[in-house]
Amino acid sequence: EAGVAQSPRYKIIEKRQSVAFWCNPISGHATLYWYQQILGQGPKLLIQFQNNGVVDDSQLPKDRFSAERLKGVDSTLKIQPAKLEDSAVYLCASSPRGTTSTDTQYFGPGTRLTVL
Amino acid sequence: AQSVTQPDIHITVSEGASLELRCNYSYGATPYLFWYVQSPGQGLQLLLKYFSGDTLVQGIKGFEAEFKRSQSSFNLRKPSVHWSDAAEYFCAVASNDYKLSFGAGTTVTVRA
Repeated sequence: EAGVAQSPRYKIIEKRQSVAFWCNPISGHATLYWYQQILGQGPKLLIQFQNNGVVDDSQLPKDRFSAERLKGVDSTLKIQPAKLEDSAVYLCASSPRGTTSTDTQYFGPGTRLTVL
Repeated sequence: AQSVTQPDIHITVSEGASLELRCNYSYGATPYLFWYVQSPGQGLQLLLKYFSGDTLVQGIKGFEAEFKRSQSSFNLRKPSVHWSDAAEYFCAVASNDYKLSFGAGTTVTVRA
């Protein structure tokens, strides 16, 4: 079974530029998550999708971050414009249902973003 | 709101020695607890999880964890560490709204 795919793996941009990350979850998984992992910290949930609808985006800085999950499959996370403090690893995860606390989340390898 | 504390930022252990990583959680209801491992350049991989029942949980790669409600702890253990166990380990708790809250992680270094 293929895992969660993410691209690119690394990205370096200047502040105020835009950047986009792509995620393809495990086939058949209804729930998709985007996390931000700042160096030295645990992952923090940015947004959760159930199929193609947003379940929770309370931690997403909506003035600069946006995300979509068209057709309930793959997803794109965008930052526009980027700030220095956005330097982090962006992790995508998926789970089969997302409607129970016992549902296991499967993580992709992440995209490491450096903002200069 | 739930939270997780991992008191040890970094642990160094000799190959073949035992390993214990501490995790304390704060959550008002019955917690759902997880341990994940993150190797350099890799995503998080689930080691084990606790939902209910037996408080000693067996996971992959020879790891186990024990849930102690009285101490609000879910410590991870391995009897004999291999060099490949060098990684960062994250404890997490899930709430009733299915969201995971992670600790800051513990980095494990294995010396020969």
